[in-house]
Amino acid sequence: EVQLVESGGGLVQPGGSLRLSCAASGFTFSNYWMHWVRQAPGKGLVWVSRINNDGSRTNYADSVKGRFTISRDNAKNTVYLQMNSLRAEDTAVYHCARVSVPTAPLDHWGQGTLVTVSS
Amino acid sequence: SYVLAQPPSVSVAPGQTARITCGGDNIGSKSVHWYQQKPGQAPVLVVYDDRGRPSGIPERFSGSNSGNTATLTISRVEAGDEADYCCQVWDGSSDHVVFGGGTKLTVL
Repeated sequence: EVQLVESGGGLVQPGGSLRLSCAASGFTFSNYWMHWVRQAPGKGLVWVSRINNDGSRTNYADSVKGRFTISRDNAKNTVYLQMNSLRAEDTAVYHCARVSVPTAPLDHWGQGTLVTVSS
Repeated sequence: SYVLAQPPSVSVAPGQTARITCGGDNIGSKSVHWYQQKPGQAPVLVVYDDRGRPSGIPERFSGSNSGNTATLTISRVEAGDEADYCCQVWDGSSDHVVFGGGTKLTVL
């Protein structure tokens, strides 16, 4: 069974940092590109970042470029999102999801981890 | 950047057909995917590549895509279909994933 489990969320002050993790199981992790998608309270899904299967290519939404860094460790079946210079508008549930190729759908998602940026 | 527009809400009586639209510039040239999300749960893929249906998704869910509009159609709507539905494409020009704003389906 495919499983994606996020962790690392919590309460952080504006300007602070957090690192999210997404542990994958039930499939060959190194064959899949991985995404982070966030959802602010009561709002819709917003794409954040993507990394290819070997970690050599990354993409970011304009709203997080220069502040967030996506990475992966295929030996640990884990993808990360390092979030720096956090702002109140970054408050959201962060989901990881997998995709086989860039044009393919995000076919499995994790339940998400809540990040709250507040003083 | 590429923008997808969805109506905020759609209401339908049980047993009727719900149609949820997703508008975008020449969206017919792109592959559209649809997700269902219930409160407190992760999104679930219900239609991929315009009209494909993942294993386990009822045949009542179908999709179409042409011109500037993609449509998710849910036939014989049930109370359990009440959820938020969101469309998604990959924008090749920016190499970004793009989501629509989501549509709340209410079953009356």
